[in-house]
Amino acid sequence: GEDVEQSLFLSVREGDSSVINCTYTDSSSTYLYWYKQEPGAGLQLLTYIFSNMDMKQDQRLTVLLNKKDKHLSLRIADTQTGDSAIYFCAESRNSGNTPLVFGKGTRLSVIA
Amino acid sequence: GAVVSQHPSRVICKSGTSVKIECRSLDFQATTMFWYRQFPKKSLMLMATSNEGSKATYEQGVEKDKFLINHASLTLSTLTVTSAHPEDSSFYICSASALPAPGGYTFGSGTRLTVV
Repeated sequence: GEDVEQSLFLSVREGDSSVINCTYTDSSSTYLYWYKQEPGAGLQLLTYIFSNMDMKQDQRLTVLLNKKDKHLSLRIADTQTGDSAIYFCAESRNSGNTPLVFGKGTRLSVIA
Repeated sequence: GAVVSQHPSRVICKSGTSVKIECRSLDFQATTMFWYRQFPKKSLMLMATSNEGSKATYEQGVEKDKFLINHASLTLSTLTVTSAHPEDSSFYICSASALPAPGGYTFGSGTRLTVV
């Protein structure tokens, strides 16, 4: 079955880089996503990557995908206190047609 | 970008009453909507998938008679929690999809339901 795993906690100092890791089991995954959730709020799409890509960069965010190892990572450069949140990794086979499968989320704490 | 409006953001109701949560796609037509439930410090649990004009598909373990989902138009889906009990207290989030688009999943801001 489908499964997405993430470490639960990460703590970094302000200004450092954060790397959040995710592994998934479904080799049919077509799209992989990173969402951010702040307390009491919904999910904000940060970025996504198509399975035929290895890397995608968008400002402070860099996504790396190792399809062979089914490993996805999100790097946040120059982490700020406003980046403190829960980050969810998710995957899907089709975009929009099937529901996302989420990891349990990684709680990122940024220490000033 | 695509926006999904979810209301109410917070609701407190008495046991035995019903609560309706609305999810609207504001600037696109949502062919498919998903309803999730999130327990404190937990991931999102998919409750059901609804396609406009047809019956929702519920995940195993989700009572369809308790969690009524209606997707009568391409811009509106509702989740009604019937005869609510304290154990139904949770954070409910909807997600709408407009094919085709790689980033086609847009989430509402969530509804915090507290049943007293």
